[in-house]
Amino acid sequence: KAGVTQTPRYLIKTRGQQVTLSCSPISGHRSVSWYQQTPGQGLQFLFEYFSETQRNKGNFPGRFSGRQFSNSRSEMNVSTLELGDSALYLCASSFSVQYEQYFGPGTRLTVT
Amino acid sequence: GESVGLHLPTLSVQEGDNSIINCAYSNSASDYFIWYKQESGKGPQFIIDIRSNMDKRQGQRVTVLLNKTVKHLSLQIAATQPGDSAVYFCAENVMDNYGQNFVFGPGTRLSVLP
Repeated sequence: KAGVTQTPRYLIKTRGQQVTLSCSPISGHRSVSWYQQTPGQGLQFLFEYFSETQRNKGNFPGRFSGRQFSNSRSEMNVSTLELGDSALYLCASSFSVQYEQYFGPGTRLTVT
Repeated sequence: GESVGLHLPTLSVQEGDNSIINCAYSNSASDYFIWYKQESGKGPQFIIDIRSNMDKRQGQRVTVLLNKTVKHLSLQIAATQPGDSAVYFCAENVMDNYGQNFVFGPGTRLSVLP
């Protein structure tokens, strides 16, 4: 079974730009969660989607948004990028919220 | 506020010895927990999970212990190998005002000495 895939793996953007990251979950998984990982704050929950609906969200500004498609693939978007948005963005998929959650390799975003 | 960098606790063990990595969780209502291993440049890798109706669960070379009384979780790795060197995270499934999600601990860096 193929694992969680994320594209792109690396991204360099300039302050003020926007970015879209993509995540393809494991086949059969309908829950997709997004996390931000930084050395200073660790792993922080952004939001979770299940069957195209956002079920939960973390404490992040509205510049961070996401969506999920009917095939369970998910995208997250960050608008008006700030230097502090530089991080590893991780996507995780699971059958549902209280089941084993598997992570992708992440997208390393650098904002200059 | 000022951002403070996380200082990861480090555990150094001799190859072949057993390792015990500890984690304190925050919410007494949490009922599902996962341990992850993260190697440099990779996403977290699922190791083992446990539900709150259990005190202990064993996998291949790993055992997770759950003490709900003191809100403590531990991961035991038997016969630690160089490939076990990584950062280990515990994650608890919590319910907040919006729904359920996982909250991750700060992590512990395991260093295996030859």
